[in-house]
Amino acid sequence: GAVVSQHPSWVICKSGTSVKIECRSLDFQATTMFWYRQFPKQSLMLMATSNEGSKATYEQGVEKDKFLINHASLTLSTLTVTSAHPEDSSFYICSAKYRASYEQYFGPGTRLTVT
Amino acid sequence: DQQVKQNSPSLSVQEGRISILNCDYTNSMFDYFLWYKKYPAEGPTFLISISSIKDKNEDGRFTVFLNKSAKHLSLHIVPSQPGDSAVYFCAASAWTGNQFYFGTGTSLTVIP
Repeated sequence: GAVVSQHPSWVICKSGTSVKIECRSLDFQATTMFWYRQFPKQSLMLMATSNEGSKATYEQGVEKDKFLINHASLTLSTLTVTSAHPEDSSFYICSAKYRASYEQYFGPGTRLTVT
Repeated sequence: DQQVKQNSPSLSVQEGRISILNCDYTNSMFDYFLWYKKYPAEGPTFLISISSIKDKNEDGRFTVFLNKSAKHLSLHIVPSQPGDSAVYFCAASAWTGNQFYFGTGTSLTVIP
C-alpha cells in the first residue's frame, strides 16, 4: 500500500515553455502533498507543501509564480514549471501523506531537462 | 538554517560489517524521526522510524537509536550488504503541522 506515482518520469522541454508534472496517490487519500527538488549530489530541497483544496505553502526562496502547485483532489497534485529555463533542470520528487500518518510516501521522481 | 544534519556525506563499509549512519537535529519540537533510502534517479523509500517516546526501534537488520538529550539519532545496519549501497536520509517531523525536515544525506557504499 501507500503507492505514489509521478508522470512523466522524464521530460525535455525548450526554454520558455511550461511543463506540468503530475503526482498521484494510488491507494490512499493524500491530505497533504509535498514537492521536492534535488540537485546532483545534494539533499532533497522542500519546495512547497499543499493541502487538498488549499493554496500551497512555499518555502523561502521558491518562486510561487514560477512553480505553480495545484492540489485539487485527494489523489492528485500537479507542479507546473512556467517559462522554464535551463537552470530549472533538476530532479523533482513529490510525496504524499494521509492525515493520521507521519510518514511521507514518495513518488519515483521526474527528471526535467530544459534545453 | 539546517535543522537536521548528517555530517558524513559518505561512508564505506565492508560487506558483513556494521554500518552506522548518524544524524543530528536542533529543534526540540521534533517528535518523530524517519530514515529513508534513496537510489539514484528514484524517489526515497521509507526504511524505519522512531517516535520520541522510544530510544530504540529495530526492524530486521536495521536499528534506529534516538538520544533525545543529545538530539542525535543513528541508523545501524547489521550485517551490511552490497544492496544496501544507497543514499540514506534522516528526517524529522513535529506533529504540530506538516513540518518535515530532511538531512543532507549520507552515501553508503558496501564493499563486497
